[in-house]
Amino acid sequence: DAKTTQPPSMDCAEGRAANLPCNHSTISGNEYVYWYRQIHSQGPQYIIHGLKNNETNEMASLIITEDRKSSTLILPHATLRDTAVYYCIVNTNTGNQFYFGTGTSLTVIP
Amino acid sequence: GAVVSQHPSRVICKSGTSVKIECRSLDFQATTMFWYRQFPKQSLMLMATSNEGSKATYEQGVEKDKFLINHASLTLSTLTVTSAHPEDSSFYICSALTTSGAYEQYFGPGTRLTVT
Repeated sequence: DAKTTQPPSMDCAEGRAANLPCNHSTISGNEYVYWYRQIHSQGPQYIIHGLKNNETNEMASLIITEDRKSSTLILPHATLRDTAVYYCIVNTNTGNQFYFGTGTSLTVIP
Repeated sequence: GAVVSQHPSRVICKSGTSVKIECRSLDFQATTMFWYRQFPKQSLMLMATSNEGSKATYEQGVEKDKFLINHASLTLSTLTVTSAHPEDSSFYICSALTTSGAYEQYFGPGTRLTVT
């Protein structure tokens, strides 16, 4: 039921920007793009979400393409603590359940 | 952000016994909570949607008589794994939905269940 595809794994050098892509070509007009991450053996942590405009908060930036069929999560200066599995989820902002895809395992390398 | 707790954080039980896992929203009320299960090196799999004061809605393939869910208050949902077997060993995670302003899900830290 997950409507997203992500690369299974990525590496990023510490201090560099990590750009995590997500494809959601069947996204509906009322569906948001959410990003969560899960550090090993912990619950998922909310990062950011957006509808069509680019969004930025203290953790990351979210770039959504104009056709909304894909997006990129940007961690501007990756640290070792950013090593985690990152999940991209599409969902209407009405309290519906989330269906997680396989996510991207990001490894930040010293 | 909002805080969700789970208790216990890890539990070991013998095959055939039942185990109860609690999920609490600590600083907000949650009319809806969700239960997920995660096996090693796999993604989270939604098990059920728990609504305060009503019966839970289970995902296809999840046995409602084996995984009993009770959402008796706006801050507490419980998942009881009945007659547990080794194949039920997993990481169980709950999330709670806030409804003040935007709908946002906050996840608990998870409960590691091992059935011997």
